[in-house]
Amino acid sequence: EAGVAQSPRYKIIEKRQSVAFWCNPISGHATLYWYQQILGQGPKLLIQFQNNGVVDDSQLPKDRFSAERLKGVDSTLKIQPAKLEDSAVYLCASSPGQGNTIYFGEGSWLTVV
Amino acid sequence: GESVGLHLPTLSVQEGDNSIINCAYSNSASDYFIWYKQESGKGPQFIIDIRSNMDKRQGQRVTVLLNKTVKHLSLQIAATQPGDSAVYFCAENMKPGGSYIPTFGRGTSLIVHP
Repeated sequence: EAGVAQSPRYKIIEKRQSVAFWCNPISGHATLYWYQQILGQGPKLLIQFQNNGVVDDSQLPKDRFSAERLKGVDSTLKIQPAKLEDSAVYLCASSPGQGNTIYFGEGSWLTVV
Repeated sequence: GESVGLHLPTLSVQEGDNSIINCAYSNSASDYFIWYKQESGKGPQFIIDIRSNMDKRQGQRVTVLLNKTVKHLSLQIAATQPGDSAVYFCAENMKPGGSYIPTFGRGTSLIVHP
């Protein structure tokens, strides 16, 4: 069974530029998560989708971050404009449904200079 | 703030010893807990989970214990191997508004010396 796919794996951008990350969850998984992991910290949930609807986005900085899952399968996370403090690993994860085991992708590493 | 925390940020053990990683949680309504292992440069990998109707669950070389009275989780790794060196996170599934919100602690770095 294929795991959670993410791209790109690495990205370096200048502050105030924009970046987009893509995620394809495990086939059949209804719930999709985007987490931000800053070096030395645990993952912090940014947004959770159930199919194509948003379950929780309370920790998403909506002035610069946006995410969508239009067809209820793959998802994109966008940052515009980026700040230095956005340097982190952006982890996508999926699960069959809420309250089930979450499976992570390898992450997209963002460096903002 | 975080509701899931770890007592020790770093744990060093000798190969072959047993390791115990602890985790405290603050939300008594959480009913599902998961331990993850994260190796350098990789995403978190599922190790073992436990639901709140259980006190103990065993896997291959790993055991998770749940003490709901003091809101404490532990992960026990038997016969620790160098390949077990990684950061370990516990996560709880909080349900503040009817939907599950998986929340992670800071993590414990396990270092296994050969």
